[in-house]
Amino acid sequence: DSGVTQTPKHLITATGQRVTLRCSPRSGDLSVYWYQQSLDQGLQFLIQYYNGEERAKGNILERFSAQQFPDLHSELNLSSLELGDSALYFCASSLTGTGPQETQYFGPGTRLLVL
Amino acid sequence: AQKITQTQPGMFVQEKEAVTLDCTYDTSDPSYGLFWYKQPSSGEMIFLIYQGSYDQQNATEGRYSLNFQKARKSANLVISASQLGDSAMYFCAMRGGGSNYKLTFGKGTLLTVNP
Repeated sequence: DSGVTQTPKHLITATGQRVTLRCSPRSGDLSVYWYQQSLDQGLQFLIQYYNGEERAKGNILERFSAQQFPDLHSELNLSSLELGDSALYFCASSLTGTGPQETQYFGPGTRLLVL
Repeated sequence: AQKITQTQPGMFVQEKEAVTLDCTYDTSDPSYGLFWYKQPSSGEMIFLIYQGSYDQQNATEGRYSLNFQKARKSANLVISASQLGDSAMYFCAMRGGGSNYKLTFGKGTLLTVNP
């Protein structure tokens, strides 16, 4: 158990809908990352937050947005869902979010299926 | 740009034998970190081992060791005394310097341990 929690574990929805994925980082970690894992794209970095502020953006679509709240939990909002958004979404956390040596610990993931 | 290459889509090993999973990387950052993660069929991403670019010695964690050859830009994972529970997908990842501390992942190697 990494200490990172994600809810829900599974999500099934329809095209055009909006969903919210939730993540709680490990105790003491200030930085949260979101990744998407799909069969065709592999593991892709979406976005990073540190202590409530956006720090880095990756291949995140404009239909997707995220935020980190004062209690450090984070939410990833996916809107106008398309079939291609079906994927495993991971949240990861690390202590400060700086330095190449810092390990990121992953949550169990949310498996999203868009029908 | 950072790149991770894992050339073995699948590997087979007999129980109790050692196996090496290959990983080569490309980066222009002088300071970087290399990580290996395990993803069982249940889907979670489990951190295994870390190697820093300035580390003089190869990292070891229990049955896992990292064969780090900086000049060749390789960071192979060695699993000794394979167990049935080692059957999983293994990902090599890199975290670089600069202001973006995302993880860049390879495509993974599916390891199957045979009894």
